[in-house]
Amino acid sequence: EIVLTQSPGTLSLSPGERATLSCRASQSVSSSYLAWYQQKPGQAPRLLIYGASSRATGIPDRFSGSGSGTDFTLTISRLEPEDFAVYYCQQYGSPSITFGQGTRLEIK
Amino acid sequence: QVQLQQSGPGLVKPSQTLSLTCAISGDSVSSNSAAWNWIRQSPSRGLEWLGRTYYRSKWYNDYAVSVKSRITINPDTSKNQFSLQLNSVTPEDTAVYYCARDPGIAAPLGMDVWGQGTTVTVSS
Repeated sequence: EIVLTQSPGTLSLSPGERATLSCRASQSVSSSYLAWYQQKPGQAPRLLIYGASSRATGIPDRFSGSGSGTDFTLTISRLEPEDFAVYYCQQYGSPSITFGQGTRLEIK
Repeated sequence: QVQLQQSGPGLVKPSQTLSLTCAISGDSVSSNSAAWNWIRQSPSRGLEWLGRTYYRSKWYNDYAVSVKSRITINPDTSKNQFSLQLNSVTPEDTAVYYCARDPGIAAPLGMDVWGQGTTVTVSS
């Protein structure tokens, strides 16, 4: 199965700053079947990005995704207070779907 | 608006079977484009996809290797829902269980609708 490794484990930033989160796959992710999710305490994950770079319905344009093959990035251009959460990448291009271990974005 | 409503017990004894149901509103379990997934989350294992069911002229299932020998996911077209059964549970199966929709597995759309989550504890 494809292993996804996210970095950093924790990112400490202030509102208004730019956040860059990384997701690296152990093998190439086919057809950009790569998604990003945001999860807040006590809630289910929320789809942010699919197909590596397409924003899901209702997601603000400060969220953007990029990358292909084995290296993917989630960028939040200007952090809002509600953006501090845990972020997961997911690959769903093979019969066995896998998630990264998450990046915690915390207020500095 | 698609919604998923989970139900099932929060406590299961070791060696018994964990059973959860996910009721669908606003879509159909028999959709020719969507897939219906079960995912769990625990501090030790993180987010772990367990499996899915989907209909493409006939029913298909895909299961994670880690649980393949113990899992069954079944659709129930009469109630527009799908279920998870996990046999021979141990304390390592303690987790929050989620159901989720993938609106189109033939296209890279992600999992856009999730159930509310069910905390399941395996303990005697």
